[in-house]
Amino acid sequence: AQKVTQAQTEISVVEKEDVTLDCVYETRDTTYYLFWYKQPPSGELVFLIRRNSFDEQNEISGRYSWNFQKSTSSFNFTITASQVVDSAVYFCALSEAKAAGNKLTFGGGTRVLVKP
Amino acid sequence: NAGVTQTPKFQVLKTGQSMTLQCAQDMNHEYMSWYRQDPGMGLRLIHYSVGAGITDQGEVPNGYNVSRSTTEDFPLRLLSAAPSQTSVYFCASSWGQGANGYTFGSGTRLTVV
Repeated sequence: AQKVTQAQTEISVVEKEDVTLDCVYETRDTTYYLFWYKQPPSGELVFLIRRNSFDEQNEISGRYSWNFQKSTSSFNFTITASQVVDSAVYFCALSEAKAAGNKLTFGGGTRVLVKP
Repeated sequence: NAGVTQTPKFQVLKTGQSMTLQCAQDMNHEYMSWYRQDPGMGLRLIHYSVGAGITDQGEVPNGYNVSRSTTEDFPLRLLSAAPSQTSVYFCASSWGQGANGYTFGSGTRLTVV
């Protein structure tokens, strides 16, 4: 069964600090996909990144970066030089290639509060 | 393209009432699903469909019904609302397996009193 754990429920930082969100996953499938979503106070889910299990390259997109390590089953997310607009709940999610109905399993989410 | 459209955005129900949450997508996606979001638990799968006429249960199906008569529409029915169904509901669609990603609706905030 697939499982995603986000151990940090809430992180508070001051603007311009870096913040790293942890994500640990469990799966028996060899082919799977990992996602990060942002949920701002307005409530919608904003897609940030998708990574497949065969691509362990780290990725950087502006102030966002992701570190995927299959050896530790982790897919961590770092926001560099945080801004108030980064305040949101962030979800890590996993989809197994063989999952019925294309099921997406979410972690419990990490609330990030960036103070000015 | 509208993507995935959910209606209504907000709803208050009394215990025992029934209602239908609407979800429509215009991307010809074969997969559609309903999730509920509760504090600290992320999103959990309620029901899903892999094509018109085919539906199945997810992780938390009790108290909900779905049908998929067309590719575009996937309504979620609450048969007899209970306070435990107070939640935010998201509809999602995708084409094929996870490699192609998911498109989420904007959510429906439901309160059962």
